[in-house]
Formats: sequence, structure tokens, C-alpha cells
Amino acid sequence: AQKVTQAQTEISVVEKEDVTLDCVYETRDTTYYLFWYKQPPSGELVFLIRRNSFDEQNEISGRYSWNFQKSTSSFNFTITASQVVDSAVYFCAPSGRAIAGGATNKLIFGTGTLLAVQP
Amino acid sequence: DSGVTQTPKHLITATGQRVTLRCSPRSGDLSVYWYQQSLDQGLQFLIQYYNGEERAKGNILERFSAQQFPDLHSELNLSSLELGDSALYFCASSVRGSGAGELFFGEGSRLTVL
Repeated sequence: AQKVTQAQTEISVVEKEDVTLDCVYETRDTTYYLFWYKQPPSGELVFLIRRNSFDEQNEISGRYSWNFQKSTSSFNFTITASQVVDSAVYFCAPSGRAIAGGATNKLIFGTGTLLAVQP
Repeated sequence: DSGVTQTPKHLITATGQRVTLRCSPRSGDLSVYWYQQSLDQGLQFLIQYYNGEERAKGNILERFSAQQFPDLHSELNLSSLELGDSALYFCASSVRGSGAGELFFGEGSRLTVL
């Protein structure tokens, strides 16, 4: 079964600092997808990025970048030049298989990391 | 706006009661997912439907049931409510039920059981 560990419960930074959110996952699947979602104080869950397990090329999208290392089962997410609006809970989530063994893209969420960006 | 609509946004009820939460997926999405978010359990996957059929099941209580209708909207029924059922219930939708493709979440239905 999938399992996600987000060891950082809370992080506080000052605006314009870079911040990296850690994620370690466990899965028995050979191919899978990894996601990061954001939950701002308003409560909705917002999709940020997706990574497939068979492409370890790291990418940058605007102020977001991610470092995927299959060998260590880590999928870390970095925000460059953080802003107050980045304050939110960030969730790492691998996709999961159905219990019966069928294909599914349901997400298994970690416990989340609360990021507070101070002005 | 994700395009996923959930109603009601807030619901207050008493223990022992039954409630129904409704979800309309994004246009064109065939798969619907239900999640429960509480302080002690975090974000828990409950159940997934794809084109009207159950695709995956999480730790959904027997007191809870769900279905997806031919028009693809979904309902989550919670019965014999207990205080511990108080939570934020999210619905999400996706084009496909497997493989790549992010889930788009609604704003949630906040249930308070008194």
C-alpha cells in the first residue's frame, strides 16, 4: 500500500526566502504518479504539480521546482522567493492502486506541511 | 474555480441523523472521488466511482455509502451520524479513473455533528 511521510509539520519563513518541502513515499507499484497540492486558509485543495515515476528529470515552473529521486523515494518541492500568498498547507500525494488490484488514480495524501510566510 | 460543485457548503445536524452530500463533477470528467478531512485523521480517501461504477474503496465506514448517477453527479450518504463524523468532506473529479491526470477538488462540505 502507498504511504507518504511529510516530516515537516510546520515551516515558517520570511518573504523572499526559498523554502523546500520534503516528501518521502512508499509504494510497491513500479509506475506511479506523484502530486503536490496546496490548501490555502480558504480551504480548497489546489493542484500544483504532477510527476510520473518513469521520468526523473527535475523541472521548474515559475517559482516552483521539484526534485524527484526514485532511488530514495523522495519528491521534494521548492518555492523560490516565497510570498505571503504562498502561506498554506502543502500535501504530497502519490497515486494509488485499488485494493482489489485494479487501476486507479486515487491519491493518498500525506499529513501535510503548514507553510507560513511572514511579510 | 475548479469546476467541481459541492452542496451544501455547511451542514449542522445532530447525532443519529442522516445527511446527503452532493457533488457535480467538472464537465467531461467521468471519475468522482470522495475524501474526508478531519484534524485527527487528515485527508482520507473514502471511495471512487468511474462512469457510474465503483472503482476504488478506502476506509469508508459501513454507515457511509455513495453512488454515481447516469448524469455523473455523485452523492455521499452519511447515516447514524456520530460526533466523530464532523469533518470537511471533499469531492474531486478527473477525466479518467486511472493513470495520469490530476484530481480537481470542490470547495468541500463542512459537516458539524452536535
